[in-house]
Amino acid sequence: AQSVSQHNHHVILSEAASLELGCNYSYGGTVNLFWYVQYPGQHLQLLLKYFSGDPLVKGIKGFEAEFIKSKFSFNLRKPSVQWSDTAEYFCAVNARDGGSQGNLIFGKGTKLSVKP
Amino acid sequence: NAGVMQNPRHLVRRRGQEARLRCSPMKGHSHVYWYRQLPEEGLKFMVYLQKENIIDESGMPKERFSAEFPKEGPSILRIQQVVRGDSAAYFCASSPFSSYNSPLHFGNGTRLTVT
Repeated sequence: AQSVSQHNHHVILSEAASLELGCNYSYGGTVNLFWYVQYPGQHLQLLLKYFSGDPLVKGIKGFEAEFIKSKFSFNLRKPSVQWSDTAEYFCAVNARDGGSQGNLIFGKGTKLSVKP
Repeated sequence: NAGVMQNPRHLVRRRGQEARLRCSPMKGHSHVYWYRQLPEEGLKFMVYLQKENIIDESGMPKERFSAEFPKEGPSILRIQQVVRGDSAAYFCASSPFSSYNSPLHFGNGTRLTVT
């Protein structure tokens, strides 16, 4: 069965520290990859997505992610975090030939706390 | 420019009662998806609907759960005879197109508590 694993349950950083959140998926076919963010009290918002092409994807608010097909990974990075990045981050995969569009498989999420 | 609207935000039901969760997609979106998030778990896909059609219900429990998206009005997720294990956050999402390249827009969720 397809699955997505996020390595860290809770990450605590100081402002200006660099961030990398791990995401690995298990599926051998063609995938679309997503990172969603949920700020406290708000709905899930799309941070960035990968469909094809350049494996280094730029998203909103200075986030980027790199798709490494050989490692089945899609790690999220930001060079310098801010207090306002405190949120929960979810990695998700859509198996293009294994499920309908909209059938996303989510990781359990990583809570990021940034200390001012 | 309203986003995906879900109501109620919080719903409390006793065991055996029915729960009805509503979702109005973003304007112009005709594709709706329901997800469930159990405590300490990621979101799990339940069902994908277009107007008046169920496209993919592979994630729906076989009993007590049903979903509809009528021609007029919001999408409804209905849970009959709720049990404690149904306590979760239920999220609705919508998209304008039927395409793998069409990202989902999520609502704020409905938190169901079964007592």
